[in-house]
This record gives sequence, structure tokens and C-alpha cells, in this order.
Amino acid sequence: AQSVTQPDIHITVSEGASLELRCNYSYGATPYLFWYVQSPGQGLQLLLKYFSGDTLVQGIKGFEAEFKRSQSSFNLRKPSVHWSDAAEYFCAVGAVGETSGSRLTFGEGTQLTVNP
Amino acid sequence: NAGVTQTPKFQVLKTGQSMTLQCAQDMNHNSMYWYRQDPGMGLRLIYYSASEGTTDKGEVPNGYNVSRLNKREFSLRLESAAPSQTSVYFCASSVPAPRRYFGPGTRLTVT
Repeated sequence: AQSVTQPDIHITVSEGASLELRCNYSYGATPYLFWYVQSPGQGLQLLLKYFSGDTLVQGIKGFEAEFKRSQSSFNLRKPSVHWSDAAEYFCAVGAVGETSGSRLTFGEGTQLTVNP
Repeated sequence: NAGVTQTPKFQVLKTGQSMTLQCAQDMNHNSMYWYRQDPGMGLRLIYYSASEGTTDKGEVPNGYNVSRLNKREFSLRLESAAPSQTSVYFCASSVPAPRRYFGPGTRLTVT
């Protein structure tokens, strides 16, 4: 069964600092990988996704993530954080070849606080 | 194009009361899902519908029922609400899997 671990429950960074949010997954084959962001009181918005090809993927709002198969990781990065990036971030893994209706497994989430 | 819409946004129930959460999507997606979100637990799948006319249990189906009314609409029913069902509920849709498009959520409190 697939699983996702986000080791950091809460991260605090200063505005303008760089950011890395960790995500480790467990899956027997090549997964589909996602990062979603949830602002307070809102639904989840897709930041970026990896299906295949280039292991460094670019997303919206200046975020990027790198798929490292050897480390089973898909860490999210941003070079310079803005106060509006304060939110909760979820990593998710889905199965390659997954048919409609199959499950997408989410991590527990990482809450990001941005200090001025 | 509204995407995925959910009603209501907020609800307070007493233990034992029933209610139905409504979800609709206008993206012509085949699959629809209901998740619950609890602190420190991420999103857990309650039920899903791979296509119109089919529904299947997810990780945490107990205490819930669903109806896929048509391709657009997928409702979640709590027949006898319990405090353990206090949560934020998200509807999502997809075609094809695995990317999900999420609604804004329903915040439910059961007292």
C-alpha cells in the first residue's frame, strides 16, 4: 500500500528566507506525486505535480519540487518566501496507472508560518 | 465555470441528528470523492464514486452514506451524527485520476 510522510508538522521561516518542505513516500513503482496548498478556511489548491520526465518540476507561486527516486522523496522548495505563503501544505501520492476512483494518499500536512 | 461547489459551508448538529452535504461539479468529471480533514491526519477518503451509478467505500466509511445522483452531483449523508464526525469535509472530482479538484469544504460541528 502507498503511504506518505511529512516529517515536519510545523515550520516557521522569516519572510525572504528559503523554504524546503519534506515529503517521503512509500510505493512499489513510479508514483504520481503532488503538492497541494491550503490557505485558512479554504479548499486545497494544486501547486505542482510529477508524473514522469524531468525530475525537477515547477509549479505555481514560484514553488518547485524535486523527485528523487533513490531517496523516495519529493521535497517542495521556494527560494524566497512571501508572507502570503503561510498556509498548510500537503504532499500526496497516487499510483501510476490508477483508474478513476482509486485512491490518492495524503500526508499529514506541514503548517508553514512566515514571520515578518 | 464554478469548479466544485459544496453546501453548506458551516453546520452545527446535535448528536443523533441527520444531515446531507451536497457537492456538485461542472467540469464533466467522471469520478467524485468525499474526504474528511482532521488535525494532524491529513485528508482521509470516506467514499468515492468512480463513475455515475457506482460508489465505493474509502478508508473511513462508517457512519456515512453517499449517493451519486447524476454525473454532476455526489452527496454525503450522516444518518445519526456523532461528535467524532466533527470535521471539515471536502468534496473533490477528477477525470482521469489521480489529480483531484477540491471544493471549498464544509465545516461540521457535532455537539
